[in-house]
Amino acid sequence: DIQMTQSPSSLSASVGDRVTITCRASQSISSYLHWYQQKPGKAPKLLIYAASNLQSGVSSRFSGSGSGTDFTLTISSLQPEDFATYYCQQSSSTLLTFGGGTKVEIK
Amino acid sequence: QVQLVESGGGVVQPGGSLRLSCAASGFSFNYYGMHWVRQAPGKGLEWVAFIRYDGSNADYADSVRGRFTISRDNSNNTLYLQMNNLSAEDTAVFFCAKDSGYGHNLANWFDSWGQGTLVTVSS
Repeated sequence: DIQMTQSPSSLSASVGDRVTITCRASQSISSYLHWYQQKPGKAPKLLIYAASNLQSGVSSRFSGSGSGTDFTLTISSLQPEDFATYYCQQSSSTLLTFGGGTKVEIK
Repeated sequence: QVQLVESGGGVVQPGGSLRLSCAASGFSFNYYGMHWVRQAPGKGLEWVAFIRYDGSNADYADSVRGRFTISRDNSNNTLYLQMNNLSAEDTAVFFCAKDSGYGHNLANWFDSWGQGTLVTVSS
């Protein structure tokens, strides 16, 4: 299986901060990397697909980059509604796997 | 708009069985692959199973292969997950999720999710 490692596992930030979350794959996955946001008690929501494509309806303050094994999700200016847990997911292998998550908390 | 509504969760004893359902609406169900993803309490997301739009092929996580069976009824816009020989490690919220790819063009990412149904395996 392809292992996905996110860092950090949690972070504290303030409204207006620029936030970067990293996801590393155990082997090259090209651009088959996707990002989700999950709030407590809710279903995940797709933010970015294929590493850098913004899902329809998602705020442009979210962006994704990377290819191969290293990827980043950036929130350009953190808003109150962005406090949540973020997950990456690879689809290079048919055995789909997620990263462990990054919890973004209020400082 | 896309709506996915899971049902069938509950408390089951170790070794027992349960069948989950996911009622789909707001899109052409018969043209999209579908997935089940689960989340143990306080833990991360784990992909469980996938079925192609026409039901011709399915795939499973190693942790459930041989115990779980995914199926679909395109005439009733419903996805299923039959779970057998359950153990405490299967306790989780189970989400159904729509694949973003259309027809043969599988995407393997999830653009719509249900609200989830809780399965608790306990004696």
